[in-house]
Amino acid sequence: DVKVTQSSRYLVKRTGEKVFLECVQDMDHENMFWYRQDPGLGLRLIYFSYDVKMKEKGDIPEGYSVSREKKERFSLILESASTNQTSMYLCASSLWDRGSHQPQHFGDGTRLSIL
Amino acid sequence: AQKITQTQPGMFVQEKEAVTLDCTYDTSDQSYGLFWYKQPSSGEMIFLIYQGSYDEQNATEGRYSLNFQKARKSANLVISASQLGDSAMYFCAMREGFSGNTPLVFGKGTRLSVIA
Repeated sequence: DVKVTQSSRYLVKRTGEKVFLECVQDMDHENMFWYRQDPGLGLRLIYFSYDVKMKEKGDIPEGYSVSREKKERFSLILESASTNQTSMYLCASSLWDRGSHQPQHFGDGTRLSIL
Repeated sequence: AQKITQTQPGMFVQEKEAVTLDCTYDTSDQSYGLFWYKQPSSGEMIFLIYQGSYDEQNATEGRYSLNFQKARKSANLVISASQLGDSAMYFCAMREGFSGNTPLVFGKGTRLSVIA
């Protein structure tokens, strides 16, 4: 089974802090994704990556950056955390271009609170 | 414009009965894929079922089936014989185009509550 592991289930940080959310997958997947989930808004794409050192902006990249130094690891960075970034963050991965039927495999999520 | 619309924020169903969760989508692509995911209160997203735009038959996976009506651009999830463990958020998602690299776009979700 594919395993996508997010480093923290719950995280509490303060306004202005630099926050790192880590995601690791163990199935040699090329594609990795970061979404945030808010009640009534569903999942919204922040950033994604097709390969090491590559990144693409999603629908809501403002206030975030990402890092992919190794194939298995995709980090989401909140440069200066703000209260409106309190949310559930979900990491996902998938194989490179194996057809449109390819599902994305998700981690358990990180519930981040910014105080 | 929303690409995925789930019009039911919440639904209730009696245990052992069937329930339909609605999903409509908007795309001008001829090739696309539709997905349903389940999210229990624990938070993980569980992939349930997939339907391709060229698939002639409705997809089925155990108690889950997808009522795909291409002309109406709808892809409703049907859960038969509901169980208490089916209580969760359910998300419809779409991938446009042939490439499996395109990220999924999600709807806002429907919260299903199964009553004993």
